[in-house]
Order: sequence, then structure tokens, then C-alpha cells
Amino acid sequence: DGGITQSPKYLFRKEGQNVTLSCEQNLNHDAMYWYRQDPGQGLRLIYYSQIVNDFQKGDIAEGYSVSREKKESFPLTVTSAQKNPTAFYLCASGTSGSYEQYFGPGTRLTVT
Amino acid sequence: DAKTTQPNSMESNEEEPVHLPCNHSTISGTDYIHWYRQLPSQGPEYVIHGLTSNVNNRMASLAIAEDRKSSTLILHRATLRDAAVYYCILDSYSGGSNYKLTFGKGTLLTVNP
Repeated sequence: DGGITQSPKYLFRKEGQNVTLSCEQNLNHDAMYWYRQDPGQGLRLIYYSQIVNDFQKGDIAEGYSVSREKKESFPLTVTSAQKNPTAFYLCASGTSGSYEQYFGPGTRLTVT
Repeated sequence: DAKTTQPNSMESNEEEPVHLPCNHSTISGTDYIHWYRQLPSQGPEYVIHGLTSNVNNRMASLAIAEDRKSSTLILHRATLRDAAVYYCILDSYSGGSNYKLTFGKGTLLTVNP
């Protein structure tokens, strides 16, 4: 089955720790995206990548880092510098040059 | 970026049509209108998109006003599985191959049995 996967579904961390969220796709999509969603809010773009080894900051990149070493993978690291890391994190992928994005099931991160 | 305005919430009854409005008075001539929906605790899914003409697909129809300052997503027969947050989004093309979507708060659709 083709699709986009995120793991784990729920993640708990202590404050001050870095944590990496996984995102993998087997749709052969060039573009990948990371969004953050807070309760009752829309999605906000953290980082996006159009091709391997290249990525751009979105609207709220501070406190986050990404890498794109493989086309299939776009992991997001939430660093200790992120002031309010508790949120629902969504990864998406799409064909370069298209606005249609396919979303993963999300990872709910709780930092205490 | 051009912005959209949607009602915070709407209610419908099962098997009745639903018209979800979206205002986008600052839309530019090249902006596409996209609709996504998000079921509870899931990622959003694409519903439909259009530029000027009305569009139909298996999920919904999109009616675009002649002046393109508003559009309406039409679900012809609402089911309980259509209960979701519906997002109306305009393009955020920033040149090159950078295609970004800006999600607002959307409309929470409740479907009553």
C-alpha cells in the first residue's frame, strides 16, 4: 500500500530533551512538509522540502530542525529551544509543482 | 498572502445537502481555491480544488462565484462520516517550485443523525 506514515502516534518527553518525529512516504513524492496543530487551531507550516538535501523554513521554524537525506524520509527534531512543543504534528507529501498534499496520521507530542 | 473567511461551525442533518461557504475577497487572478477536510484526530485530506469554473468530483462539488471573491463547497448528501473540519485555502505560491498551503481554522461541520 502506498502512503505516508508517522511514528509513533503518541510521544511523551520531559522538558529539555530533544525529540525526533519520524515521517516516511512511499508515494515517490518530491515534496514533504511538516505542520504543527494546536487545539482548535488550523495547521501551521514548520518546514518543507521540495527535493532531497534541500529544505526551507516555514512560518514557525524556530526551535525545530529537519533533514532530507532520502526522498522517502523527512524527520523533524523538536529541540529544547522550542518553547511550547506540546502539539499535534502532521507530516505531508506531494508532487513537486502541485498543491495537493497527502497527510500522515500525525504524532501527538506531549512535553512535561 | 490572500486570506479566507469561513464560519466557525455549521450543522447539517444526515442525507441532506450541505453548503459550506468561504469568502476570499483578496484573491488574486492566479490563486486556486482548495478545500481540505480533517476528521477528528487524523491528518487533513484533499477534497477538491478549482480556479474559475465549478468543479465536481466523487466527494463534493465546488461552486465559485463569478467574481471569485467567494466559493461554496457542496456535499450533496451529508453522512455521519462527513463530520469534520473543512478548510478553504488559497494558493501561497512563492516562486520556483515552492507550493505552500496556509490552513486557517476552518469550519467544524456537525452532522446530526
